This record gives sequence, C-alpha cells and structure tokens, in this order.
Amino acid sequence: DAGVIQSPRHEVTEMGQEVTLRCKPISGHNSLFWYRQTMMRGLELLIYFNNNVPIDDSGMPEDRFSAKMPNASFSTLKIQPSEPRDSAVYFCASTRGLAGTDTQYFGPGTRLTVL
Amino acid sequence: DAKTTQPTSMDCAEGRAANLPCNHSTISGNEYVYWYRQIHSQGPQYIIHGLKNNETNEMASLIITEDRKSSTLILPHATLRDTAVYYCIVRVAEFGSYQLTFGKGTKLSVIP
Repeated sequence: DAGVIQSPRHEVTEMGQEVTLRCKPISGHNSLFWYRQTMMRGLELLIYFNNNVPIDDSGMPEDRFSAKMPNASFSTLKIQPSEPRDSAVYFCASTRGLAGTDTQYFGPGTRLTVL
Repeated sequence: DAKTTQPTSMDCAEGRAANLPCNHSTISGNEYVYWYRQIHSQGPQYIIHGLKNNETNEMASLIITEDRKSSTLILPHATLRDTAVYYCIVRVAEFGSYQLTFGKGTKLSVIP
C-alpha cells in the first residue's frame, strides 16, 4: 500500500492568497483526519471525517479554514485568505474506522510557509 | 484521556537497547497505551499499543506495569534511523474515540 499521500509537500505563498492542501487516504480507510503542527502548539487535530462526512471540526482555527471530502479517496484543506500565522506543517491521517483501537496512519505532511 | 509524562530527551548508543519510559498514573481501565514516533520532517509513525499485557512487534516491545501506571517502550537494537521524538499517548478504547493527544514526547538521540 502506498500509505497516505499528501500534496504538495512544500508550499510557499504570500499573505492573502488561497492555499489548498490535498490528501489521499489509504484505500479502504473510512476515517480521515487533518492535523497541524507548530513548534509552539505541537500537533493539533483540526477536523476529522467519517465516511466522507465531517464529524468534528472544533479544532478548525477560524472561518478562513475549510475542509472537504468529496469522496472516499480525496480530501482538501483550504485556507482563504492565508496569513503568516498559518505557517505550519499540515498532516493528514487515515484510519480504518472508529473502533477504539483503530490505528491512525499519517502522511508525510505539507510544509506551508505564508510570507 | 489520561495525561502522560515522558523525559524530554534521552541518548542511546547505537546497537544497544533503548528504553523509553512513560508515566500515566491516572490511566483508566478502558484506556490503551499507544506509542508513536516522529522522525525529523516526517509524519508521526505508529509503533505499538497495548492495554495491560506486554506486547511485541517487529519494531518494538511495550512493557506495561501491573498497575498500568507506567510503561516502557523498548527498541531492542537501536540504529541511527531510530533517532526521533517518541510520543506516549493514552487513548480510550471505545467506538468513536478518535482523539490522539500528542504531548511533547521524548527526543531520542542514537549515538554512533
């Protein structure tokens, strides 16, 4: 299996621009998670989907952030407009289901720099 | 989920066993102990998890004390590629419990 795939791996943009991060979960996995990692705050859960439906978006920092999962094999995280404080590494993870012991498998991350 | 306490950093000689401790004194009966690691510039990687029995897989062994208040992750023969931040996470084993709360972890440096 190819594992969780994220693109792009690196993104540099200017403040005010729209940024779209992409994720392809492991085939057969029904749950998908978006995380953000910074030096100050560590790894934080932003939103998660189960069967393509957003279940908990309480970690999304503000309305500038939105996430979609149009089908079981693709999800996007969009920031519009982007700000310098959004600079971070964004990880996508997937898991087979929501059983208490289902393991989350992480992608390689997208390093976002907003100038 | 119960809180965990780990040393900030540890060193280990290459080829020797790396023993990473974790304290989770407030763990509940329905909570599992999970270990992940994060190698620099990569996503977190699942290592192993357990409830109350010791567990072993191709990557590591997990030793959980009888009272379940602490555990130790053992990398039997550490290599330079094992240099990473290791996270001990306690997680409720119930359907719908998806939260993985990552703390600061232990930075393990494997030294040649």
